[in-house]
Amino acid sequence: TQLLEQSPQFLSIQEGENLTVYCNSSSVFSSLQWYRQEPGEGPVLLVTVVTGGEVKKLKRLTFQFGDARKDSSLHITAAQPGDTGLYLCAGPSTTSGTYKYIFGTGTRLKVLA
Amino acid sequence: DSGVTQTPKHLITATGQRVTLRCSPRSGDLSVYWYQQSLDQGLQFLIQYYNGEERAKGNILERFSAQQFPDLHSELNLSSLELGDSALYFCASSVMAGLSTDTQYFGPGTRLTVL
Repeated sequence: TQLLEQSPQFLSIQEGENLTVYCNSSSVFSSLQWYRQEPGEGPVLLVTVVTGGEVKKLKRLTFQFGDARKDSSLHITAAQPGDTGLYLCAGPSTTSGTYKYIFGTGTRLKVLA
Repeated sequence: DSGVTQTPKHLITATGQRVTLRCSPRSGDLSVYWYQQSLDQGLQFLIQYYNGEERAKGNILERFSAQQFPDLHSELNLSSLELGDSALYFCASSVMAGLSTDTQYFGPGTRLTVL
């Protein structure tokens, strides 16, 4: 079974600090997606990475897909209170020919003003 | 607003009961996905329908069932409810059949409380 482990589980930082969130698996993924979820709402897609080693930037957020496509990272520069939320990585899983879509364990980020 | 609607927003019921959650996908989307989110299990994929047909099945219990109707809306039926079924249930939709780069748009969720 393909699993996605995220670290850290919780992160509380001051406004203006930088941070990195990790998403790791022992299995290869054809792609990984990152979402942000705010309380009481559904997850919102931030980015999709497909190619090993790929780097994508979304304003102050930088996403990287590992060369072996088993891991990914999300780096936030100069965090702001509006970045507060639950960050989830996710990807398609095909085990024994069965297709599923799995989410990581999540990183709950709180940015203090 | 993602364009995906879910009803009801909140549902409180008793153990042993049966409930139906409803989802309307974004206009033009053919795929509907159902997820369960709880504090201890995180966000779990339950099932996916594409254009009326079951496309993929995840960790869905036998007490749960779903279907997608000709107008593409979907319903998730939960029966013989247990306390552990209390969770947020999300519906998502996408244009395609769930290709690895397909974007899923999530609805606001239905919070189910089983007493």
